[in-house]
Amino acid sequence: RKEVEQDPGPFNVPEGATVAFNCTYSNSASQSFFWYRQDCRKEPKLLMSVYSSGNEDGRFTAQLNRASQYISLLIRDSKLSDSATYLCVVFRSGNTPLVFGKGTRLSVIA
Amino acid sequence: SQTIHQWPATLVQPVGSPLSLECTVEGTSNPNLYWYRQAAGRGLQLLFYSVGIGQISSEVPQNLSASRPQDRQFILSSKKLLLSDSGFYLCAWSVGGGAHEQFFGPGTRLTVL
Repeated sequence: RKEVEQDPGPFNVPEGATVAFNCTYSNSASQSFFWYRQDCRKEPKLLMSVYSSGNEDGRFTAQLNRASQYISLLIRDSKLSDSATYLCVVFRSGNTPLVFGKGTRLSVIA
Repeated sequence: SQTIHQWPATLVQPVGSPLSLECTVEGTSNPNLYWYRQAAGRGLQLLFYSVGIGQISSEVPQNLSASRPQDRQFILSSKKLLLSDSGFYLCAWSVGGGAHEQFFGPGTRLTVL
């Protein structure tokens, strides 16, 4: 089983729609979680950290479910500029690198 | 504020030629440093990471090597490139000690012909 698994998509949604991505992780000892965004042919950029109590940043809401070992990202009122690949990222422990999922591709259509 | 530089942005090299990609970080001390490769349409593959000068951990056996001659400098090298080395090479840094987000440089797009 892969350490971080995401549905690759693509998710094709109209402008203004609400879309949600889930991501599962296998290591129950994982400590920190993030969502990154990667535009085509660009470097990944941090979108938001995911806190145990859930957190919101404008149109974006991230949630963590430790019992079921998944995190989610909800995007409300989708914009054309939200089109990108969204990477689910998990930190295990110590000084180890982050573990990146392969990403979910989102296309927002006019 | 911290910035991370990578160069060159694009590189075309013949098979069998050597490679040297450089990454430098400004505005922080003792960062953790990382090299990733991303093949076209694929996910990130961690190649190397370093928690200090001269300390390199390799994630996968391959045709590449890494060095960290200075605190904020990370170099990716190869003596002889293979076709399969083509890809998008990304350097990243994070605050040392784990549990911190990583920040990526702009990347080098390498094509081996």
